[in-house]
Amino acid sequence: GENVEQHPSTLSVQEGDSAVIKCTYSDSASNYFPWYKQELGKRPQLIIDIRSNVGEKKDQRIAVTLNKTAKHFSLHITETQPEDSAVYFCAASPNSGNTGKLIFGQGTTLQVKP
Amino acid sequence: NAGVMQNPRHLVRRRGQEARLRCSPMKGHSHVYWYRQLPEEGLKFMVYLQKENIIDESGMPKERFSAEFPKEGPSILRIQQVVRGDSAAYFCASSPEREKLFFGSGTQLSVL
Repeated sequence: GENVEQHPSTLSVQEGDSAVIKCTYSDSASNYFPWYKQELGKRPQLIIDIRSNVGEKKDQRIAVTLNKTAKHFSLHITETQPEDSAVYFCAASPNSGNTGKLIFGQGTTLQVKP
Repeated sequence: NAGVMQNPRHLVRRRGQEARLRCSPMKGHSHVYWYRQLPEEGLKFMVYLQKENIIDESGMPKERFSAEFPKEGPSILRIQQVVRGDSAAYFCASSPEREKLFFGSGTQLSVL
């Protein structure tokens, strides 16, 4: 089945710097890759997603890139702010059975220092 | 649209008791997913349901765990004879089209 690996597990940056989180997946048939942000004690919230027919997608300070050949995708946050501090999860949707279930990475704790 | 509603937010059970977790999906969403999250870990898929049907339960333990999504009412995740290892946050998510999941606030289950 699908396996998603996420790195780094923790990331600390200064306010205003960029942050990059990387994920790899194993199932080449996976075709949908969302990113979720989870603040302490809160629900995971979808912040951006990308489909396998697109190489890059941007939404204000957040961008996601996908390399299908290498089976990896990355989240880029520019001009980080303290409110970006949270745990970020990548996920992949294996196409087998088309159930829509997501397989999540282990999470990256991002700390943005003021 | 109130979003995905889960209750209770916190549930305390003693070993051997039953836990019932409820999830009302967003209006218009017919796909429901349950995930389990252990402290400082990712979300682990448990089960995917549509109205009155279990579509994929490959992530759910074979014993003590069951899920349903009846024609009327919320989806229920039921854990019988709870053990300490069941302590976790259980998140429900719903989707209008599969894949784009919207999560509830979760139920924190603590087993004493």
